[in-house]
Amino acid sequence: GAGVSQTPSNKVTEKGKYVELRCDPISGHTALYWYRQSLGQGPEFLIYFQGTGAADDSGLPNDRFFAVRPEGSVSTLKIQRTERGDSAVYLCASSRHRGGETNEQFFGPGTRLTVL
Amino acid sequence: AQKVTQAQTEISVVEKEDVTLDCVYETRDTTYYLFWYKQPPSGELVFLIRRNSFDEQNEISGRYSWNFQKSTSSFNFTITASQVVDSAVYFCALRQETSGSRLTFGEGTQLTVNP
Repeated sequence: GAGVSQTPSNKVTEKGKYVELRCDPISGHTALYWYRQSLGQGPEFLIYFQGTGAADDSGLPNDRFFAVRPEGSVSTLKIQRTERGDSAVYLCASSRHRGGETNEQFFGPGTRLTVL
Repeated sequence: AQKVTQAQTEISVVEKEDVTLDCVYETRDTTYYLFWYKQPPSGELVFLIRRNSFDEQNEISGRYSWNFQKSTSSFNFTITASQVVDSAVYFCALRQETSGSRLTFGEGTQLTVNP
């Protein structure tokens, strides 16, 4: 498809386990973003990639969270030693440019993570 | 600090009514961008509009219109002649020039349009 895709759509795991969430951005978009959305809240920024490098990771809540984008396209968000508080919808977005006016971010459908 | 406030948590209207969703923002930057996104029950955020801080012209797109007023730090969104398909959560978001490309979202307004 032409939009941002995320897999899996749902992930249920147990406390303490490791999870990986994948994002496939729109083809040609150099910027990629991860957000986290808790129930009844707006999305909260986690990390932003420009190409292969993390340009801003200041939103990652702690060192259990890590994200990579080794070839400048697909990105993986990795969460170690999951906690119940990590349960949320993880949203990925991509945009064509790093900054400036053409910075509409197009969002994927999200991965709903449930930590039991 | 940057902040976006959507004071209306939930709004319920009857089809064909007009409805305005409020958004108030805080920023110290002179250059910034404001956005509205729609999140239908399917969950995917849909981009609606972007406005930069230097362009206070109001905008109309079909039944949607946006009123940007820097004097009151507001960027309100009006849906004219609402339809059931407009039912969704609507988010206002802010991007500051000094904060890179991150978007700061409000808490969202749940709009329900009843037939």
